[in-house]
Amino acid sequence: SQQGEEDPQALSIQEGENATMNCSYKTSINNLQWYRQNSGRGLVHLILIRSNEREKHSGRLRVTLDTSKKSSSLLITASRAADTASYFCATDASSNTGKLIFGQGTTLQVKP
Amino acid sequence: NAGVTQTPKFRVLKTGQSMTLLCAQDMNHEYMYWYRQDPGMGLRLIHYSVGEGTTAKGEVPDGYNVSRLKKQNFLLGLESAAPSQTSVYFCASSYSTGSGYTFGSGTRLTVV
Repeated sequence: SQQGEEDPQALSIQEGENATMNCSYKTSINNLQWYRQNSGRGLVHLILIRSNEREKHSGRLRVTLDTSKKSSSLLITASRAADTASYFCATDASSNTGKLIFGQGTTLQVKP
Repeated sequence: NAGVTQTPKFRVLKTGQSMTLLCAQDMNHEYMYWYRQDPGMGLRLIHYSVGEGTTAKGEVPDGYNVSRLKKQNFLLGLESAAPSQTSVYFCASSYSTGSGYTFGSGTRLTVV
């Protein structure tokens, strides 16, 4: 069963615009992570936010976490064509195993 | 370069054949994971290991076996391949619980 549900499934924007992706999950978590996957490649870790954190920044990325609503969002500001990829949220609800449950992903297309 | 290496990158098997996928990491990570990625399904956890000599079942373990005899290697075996095991397989490792994963580049397996 999938823990994370991502919304939207697909997003198309112009270069320079902001992109927002949302993730909802079902159970209490230790942390939530976001990954990027370029076509035909492995996933790359972007950012991790712990359950006691509400917001985190990394470069042009901003992640928020609302544990009361069991939801997170990833904001990419001033998007570039190179940001075109699939983005996945993943939740760690385990007891000392580090197992991640991945959502189905959001496919982002940034048009030059 | 440091990271996670998966071999082979591509493989075509006939139904009933067996094979082993190798995952090797050189980052001294304790935790290792095998996922499969299917269209529209996101990533699903097959098996994982929390340290040398340990393995445990994930979400979709049936038809697969694993071994972690050395800390740096995590092997995924298919004893009798079935068309339903056609997928892209990803290995990942992490230093500890609460840290992000490093992924390999994947193995694309087709069972005919």
